[in-house]
Amino acid sequence: SQQGEEDPQALSIQEGENATMNCSYKTSINNLQWYRQNSGRGLVHLILIRSNEREKHSGRLRVTLDTSKKSSSLLITASRAADTASYFCATENSGNTPLVFGKGTRLSVIA
Amino acid sequence: DAGVIQSPRHEVTEMGQEVTLRCKPISGHDYLFWYRQTMMRGLELLIYFNNNVPIDDSGMPEDRFSAKMPNASFSTLKIQPSEPRDSAVYFCASRGAGNQPQHFGDGTRLSIL
Repeated sequence: SQQGEEDPQALSIQEGENATMNCSYKTSINNLQWYRQNSGRGLVHLILIRSNEREKHSGRLRVTLDTSKKSSSLLITASRAADTASYFCATENSGNTPLVFGKGTRLSVIA
Repeated sequence: DAGVIQSPRHEVTEMGQEVTLRCKPISGHDYLFWYRQTMMRGLELLIYFNNNVPIDDSGMPEDRFSAKMPNASFSTLKIQPSEPRDSAVYFCASRGAGNQPQHFGDGTRLSIL
């Protein structure tokens, strides 16, 4: 069953703009992770944020986590056409349990 | 390092046939996961193993599905007999212990006619 739910389902922006995707979940978590999936490929891990962390950066990626609202956001700054992909959030509810994935946000970056 | 390797990449077969999907996890990873991805249901966890032992197979849709992990470097997912509704992309993923990210293979695109 899905725990994370991404919003929006699809997003289309111009190259150079920022892209923000949101994720909401239902139960307490150990950590939350974001993944990217290019067409025809497997998911690739982008960033992991632990439940006691509020913000994390990796290059052009910024992830926030609000455990009181059970939500997370992924911000991609200065987007590029190569960022076009589906983005998934996944939650790990406790140590060593499987990740539960949302249905993803399809991001299109138009050059 | 080689990532998670799945084979075949594509499989087209007729309903009723047996289908075997294969996965080689990343060396040293303790956990192996099988997922199915469809437009309607998204990414569903079918089964996962820890140290070659099946831990949770509650996501396996029917008895027609079975999975094995005879050793740390190989796992199979078998569908017998296959049905058109089994058509999907099947992913294998592995990870180490603790707060580690999962590494996915590129999937097997399965079409049952």
